[in-house]
Amino acid sequence: AQSVTQPDIHITVSEGASLELRCNYSYGATPYLFWYVQSPGQGLQLLLKYFSGDTLVQGIKGFEAEFKRSQSSVNLRKPSVHWSDAAEYFCAVGPSNAGNNRKLIWGLGTSLAVNP
Amino acid sequence: DAGVTQSPTHLIKTRGQQVTLRCSPKSGHDTVSWYQQALGQGPQFIFQYYEEEERQRGNFPDRFSGHQFPNYSSELNVNALLLGDSALYLCASSAAAKGADTQYFGPGTRLTVL
Repeated sequence: AQSVTQPDIHITVSEGASLELRCNYSYGATPYLFWYVQSPGQGLQLLLKYFSGDTLVQGIKGFEAEFKRSQSSVNLRKPSVHWSDAAEYFCAVGPSNAGNNRKLIWGLGTSLAVNP
Repeated sequence: DAGVTQSPTHLIKTRGQQVTLRCSPKSGHDTVSWYQQALGQGPQFIFQYYEEEERQRGNFPDRFSGHQFPNYSSELNVNALLLGDSALYLCASSAAAKGADTQYFGPGTRLTVL
């Protein structure tokens, strides 16, 4: 079965500290991988995407993600968190072969709080 | 360059009523997907439209229907509303020609069913 697991429901970090949000997936083939961020009451903003190639992907707002095929994981990282990073973070996976199936499978999200 | 827009922002309906939500895709995009996001949950895929046809559907009942217009904009219709339909409804657009499904989301419509 296809699934995405974000093990941490809620994380609190201090401003300036480093951050790592975990995401594990179960998928039939190597999927495309996405990280989105959602501020309260807002839609989803794409942070980064992994399609192929280098396992370390750079995104916007200073975020990066490391794809580990052997562990079926794509963890999101940021070296130094800012108070404005407080939001809900979602990991999603989708099929790498463009065809009739373009459905994204989503995790339940990780809520990030930042202490001043 | 306008991003994905949705209307209305908020909506309050009563059980049994019908609702129509609207979405305009990002410029250059021709594919629209709809998602339901309940409080504290991740988005759930409802369906996707391309070339004015439903291309793929998630596990939602027939009460949920949609339409895509020649200008690529889309509507989501929900009939016989239930309390459980209360959620944030998100529209996402993408460009089919690019193959990979990088979806860009609108701000959503918050539907409350009383």
